[in-house]
Amino acid sequence: NAGVTQTPKFRVLKTGQSMTLLCAQDMNHEYMYWYRQDPGMGLRLIHYSVGEGTTAKGEVPDGYNVSRLKKQNFLLGLESAAPSQTSVYFCASSYSTGLYGYTFGSGTRLTVV
Amino acid sequence: AQSVTQLGSHVSVSEGALVLLRCNYSSSVPPYLFWYVQYPNQGLQLLLKYTTGATLVKGINGFEAEFKKSETSFHLTKPSAHMSDAAEYFCAVSVYRRGSTLGRLYFGRGTQLTVWP
Repeated sequence: NAGVTQTPKFRVLKTGQSMTLLCAQDMNHEYMYWYRQDPGMGLRLIHYSVGEGTTAKGEVPDGYNVSRLKKQNFLLGLESAAPSQTSVYFCASSYSTGLYGYTFGSGTRLTVV
Repeated sequence: AQSVTQLGSHVSVSEGALVLLRCNYSSSVPPYLFWYVQYPNQGLQLLLKYTTGATLVKGINGFEAEFKKSETSFHLTKPSAHMSDAAEYFCAVSVYRRGSTLGRLYFGRGTQLTVWP
């Protein structure tokens, strides 16, 4: 039982490059989330999805896009990476509304130079 | 709006000492409250949660937290710290309003716990 799996675990990008982070969950959860974690800032919600084919903006959505074509996968895209997007990205999922907590992946450490 | 305040971004204790990590929340409706722990280079793991019922909640690794509505607090405690407790701890609040599609978690900024031998 893998839970929530994020790939890749580490990545270095040059400014202006694009990339996609993949999140996969095997718990049949409806809800999925992308957070970024920066020192002293806690976790900030980028985008979330309440079901297959749906996405919505969180607190800090600018510069990111997401897609949820399959229930088990939630993709986070950076079209033109900027140094301000250097961060650790976490994916999470929850069974229903998230009221009872989330299951987190182990994170992707992204550096944009 | 919901918010979570963790008092003290860094807490240091000696091994065997009491651990107290403070969390206060604001919510206009009854909240669900959580503590997560993050070990270095790992994701967040659920320590414990309060939903309804008993206000003293016990979690993994000997941690517990008490929901105090009058103080809008949910402080995390452990009677005796262990070296393996060194990690970052996040308090979170979730609220659900009838008709809403999302019971989002709002996180505090985290408290780094250091345990000295």
